Amino acid sequence: KNQVEQSPQSLIILEGKNCTLQCNYTVSPFSNLRWYKQDTGRGPVSLTIMTFSENTKSNGRYTATLDADTKQSSLHITASQLSDSASYICVVSADKLIFGTGTRLQVFP
Amino acid sequence: DGGITQSPKYLFRKEGQNVTLSCEQNLNHDAMYWYRQDPGQGLRLIYYSQIVNDFQKGDIAEGYSVSREKKESFPLTVTSAQKNPTAFYLCASSISRGHEAFFGQGTRLTVV
Repeated sequence: KNQVEQSPQSLIILEGKNCTLQCNYTVSPFSNLRWYKQDTGRGPVSLTIMTFSENTKSNGRYTATLDADTKQSSLHITASQLSDSASYICVVSADKLIFGTGTRLQVFP
Repeated sequence: DGGITQSPKYLFRKEGQNVTLSCEQNLNHDAMYWYRQDPGQGLRLIYYSQIVNDFQKGDIAEGYSVSREKKESFPLTVTSAQKNPTAFYLCASSISRGHEAFFGQGTRLTVV
């Protein structure tokens, strides 16, 4: 069964700290993996997209990694800001998009 | 501006009434989707369309209907047959199925 699991479900950190979000998937055939950021009450916005051959991709303070052998991805946020408070959704593309349940990140001053 | 627009942002419906959610895109994308988002759950696919005048049921199509008469428009009707319609509804589009999806800002539907 195609599944995408994310951990932790929720995370609280202080402004300026780093954090790492995890995504494990059992999706076949694998096409690519994306991380989306979703602010409360708004639609998700794409942060990164990674194909099978890519290990790391950065977008400003966001760095995504992909290990296609272990079927794991992580999203690392550096020097967090209050505006990083959001849900982060891992999406794996096979013949359709498979969504994880997301990690709810709260950044406090 | 290029993008995908959903309206209204908030919608209230009485039990037993049908209601239609609007979704318009000017990205020239062939594929469009409707998702439902509930607290603590991942997005679930209601319907999708890969081309004009064609659409397919997703994982939770019961109680919903769609049409795709124009490339840029993919309205979703929540019918009275949907037993638990209160949710956040997201419309998305992509160049084709499996490619990066661009999302609208969502419509929050509440049944009163």
